[in-house]
Amino acid sequence: DTAVSQTPKYLVTQMGNDKSIKCEQNLGHDTMYWYKQDSKKFLKIMFSYNNKELIINETVPNRFSPKSPDKAHLNLHINSLELGDSAVYFCASSQGTSGQHFGPGTRLTVT
Amino acid sequence: DQQVKQNSPSLSVQEGRISILNCDYTNSMFDYFLWYKKYPAEGPTFLISISSIKDKNEDGRFTVFLNKSAKHLSLHIVPSQPGDSAVYFCAARALGTASKLTFGTGTRLQVTL
Repeated sequence: DTAVSQTPKYLVTQMGNDKSIKCEQNLGHDTMYWYKQDSKKFLKIMFSYNNKELIINETVPNRFSPKSPDKAHLNLHINSLELGDSAVYFCASSQGTSGQHFGPGTRLTVT
Repeated sequence: DQQVKQNSPSLSVQEGRISILNCDYTNSMFDYFLWYKKYPAEGPTFLISISSIKDKNEDGRFTVFLNKSAKHLSLHIVPSQPGDSAVYFCAARALGTASKLTFGTGTRLQVTL
C-alpha cells in the first residue's frame, strides 16, 4: 500500500498555464508538506498544513496556492507557470515529531 | 544562506567497509537532526534521527553521531552494502518551528563490490 502518493508523476506544460498536483496520505498523519527540489538538488520546504490549517508558509510566489480539503489530502495549485518553476515537487506527511514520509515526487517541466 | 551543509557531494566505499557521511550546520537553534536516503525517481526515506540532548543514536547498521560544540553530525553505515548506494540528505529542525525541516544538498554514496 502506498503511504504517500502524488499525481501526476510527470507534468510537462507550457509557460502561462495553470496546473495542479495532488497528494494523498493513508498513514493517518495530521501534518502534510510540500517541498521543492530544484536543479541543484536543494530540497526546500514550501508549505505545511496541520489538520487542514496552514502552519508553514515560506517565501513562495503567491502563484502557488496549497489546498487541504481534509487531513489526508494536500494539493498544490500553480498559476501562470514560469520556466523557473521547473523542479521536482515532493509531498510529505508526519505525525507529531516523527520523521516525515515523502511521496515519490512530481517532476514538473515548464517549456 | 545554507544552514545545513553537506560538503561532500559524493563518496565511494567498498562493500563491507564503513561509510561516513558528514553534515555541518550553522543555526544554534537546531535541536533535532535527521538523515534521509533517496533512490532515483523516489522520495526521500527517513533513516535515523537524533535529538540534541544525545550524542549518539544507533539503529542496526546505522549510527548517527552529534557534536553540538562543533555543529557537526555524521552518519556511519557499517558494514556498507550495495543496496546502500543512494543520495543521503541531512536535515535539521529548530526548536519552536513546528515541523519545518532544513535540508542539506545531499551526498551521493556509491558502494562498490
